[in-house]
Amino acid sequence: DAGVTQSPTHLIKTRGQHVTLRCSPISGHKSVSWYQQVLGQGPQFIFQYYEKEERGRGNFPDRFSARQFPNYSSELNVNALLLGDSALYLCASSLTSGTSNEQFFGPGTRLTVL
Amino acid sequence: GQQVMQIPQYQHVQEGEDFTTYCNSSTTLSNIQWYKQRPGGHPVFLIQLVKSGEVKKQKRLTFQFGEAKKNSSLHITATQTTDVGTYFCAGDVGGSYIPTFGRGTSLIVHP
Repeated sequence: DAGVTQSPTHLIKTRGQHVTLRCSPISGHKSVSWYQQVLGQGPQFIFQYYEKEERGRGNFPDRFSARQFPNYSSELNVNALLLGDSALYLCASSLTSGTSNEQFFGPGTRLTVL
Repeated sequence: GQQVMQIPQYQHVQEGEDFTTYCNSSTTLSNIQWYKQRPGGHPVFLIQLVKSGEVKKQKRLTFQFGEAKKNSSLHITATQTTDVGTYFCAGDVGGSYIPTFGRGTSLIVHP
């Protein structure tokens, strides 16, 4: 079975641009979470979606938005990019959004903002 | 700010030595998860602990959840070079089932 997939793998943007990152969860998983990981830090939670509804939002500005589609895939959008948005963006899927939510991470999208 | 603290940040060991990383929260956690991230890779789920005082073992790895559910530890016995990576704890601090990750402990094993 395929794991979590993310696209693109790498991305280079300039300040002020916007970016869309994509994630396909493991088949059967209905919950998708997005994380930002800066070098030397742990993943920081951005959003969680379950059954196409937003279940949680981390401490990120409104420039960050996301959505989940009927097939449970998800997009993360970031507008008006800043240099500080350069990071590894990780998507994680899980069966549910409950306590037994073992998360399976994708390989990530490495975003560089110049 | 980060509500889940993890120490140490780095740990160098000789192959065969033991290794322990500690995770602490100022608030009671509903559960705690541990992940391993190899250099250049993505976090991989290791285990979840839910009950107060819970201890779980996976071969050479021992995970503990404190009685007060505010701290946790991961102990590796007789490290091997394959253990190299960063170990993260992730606690559910608000009962929202959304884990808050610690900063991680990077384990370097010298052969």
